[in-house]
Amino acid sequence: EAQVTQNPRYLITVTGKKLTVTCSQNMNHEYMSWYRQDPGLGLRQIYYSMNVEVTDKGDVPEGYKVSRKEKRNFPLILESPSPNQTSLYFCASSLFGRLSGANVLTFGAGSRLTVL
Amino acid sequence: AQSVAQPEDQVNVAEGNPLTVKCTYSVSGNPYLFWYVQYPNRGLQFLLKYITGDNLVKGSYGFEAEFNKSQTSFHLKKPSALVSDSALYFCAVRVPILTGGGNKLTFGTGTQLKVEL
Repeated sequence: EAQVTQNPRYLITVTGKKLTVTCSQNMNHEYMSWYRQDPGLGLRQIYYSMNVEVTDKGDVPEGYKVSRKEKRNFPLILESPSPNQTSLYFCASSLFGRLSGANVLTFGAGSRLTVL
Repeated sequence: AQSVAQPEDQVNVAEGNPLTVKCTYSVSGNPYLFWYVQYPNRGLQFLLKYITGDNLVKGSYGFEAEFNKSQTSFHLKKPSALVSDSALYFCAVRVPILTGGGNKLTFGTGTQLKVEL
């Protein structure tokens, strides 16, 4: 089954304790992206990647890091989490090319993170 | 800068009645428009998109949306709502590189649809 898999689905942590949210897709998609969803703010893009070793900042990159060493994986790293990073996080992927504007994102099921 | 507005936080409708979830956008250039749906504890799922051509776009689960360039709107509609349609709906816009855009996908804030018996 074509899917985007995120882990963990739920996590409660404390301020300053580094954590990684993993994301993996099995569709050979070039493009991958991380979003956070907050009430009243919709989805905001954190980082994205157009291919292996190519990453760029989205709208709200502060406090996050990413890497794209393999095509299928795009982990999100919080080096020193703070309470304002408590949110619902989504990883998504799609094909990427000249007509990529029309490509549809496939989303993971989400990771709910609470930072105390 | 491009933006998407979903003016209603919540829409309530009785089962069997038609539903409309509103979306307006602001972009420079010709937009690609999308609707996604989020069911509880699930990721977003694609519903439909407008790229070019016929202004009325049909999508999954009986949903459709009408692109109106003069009103810069892309409202989501369904002729007869079901309780199972209750979910959070997101409109999104992108201006592709081909037409001078940055290919950035911008989401609205979401509209909670509640369909009651």
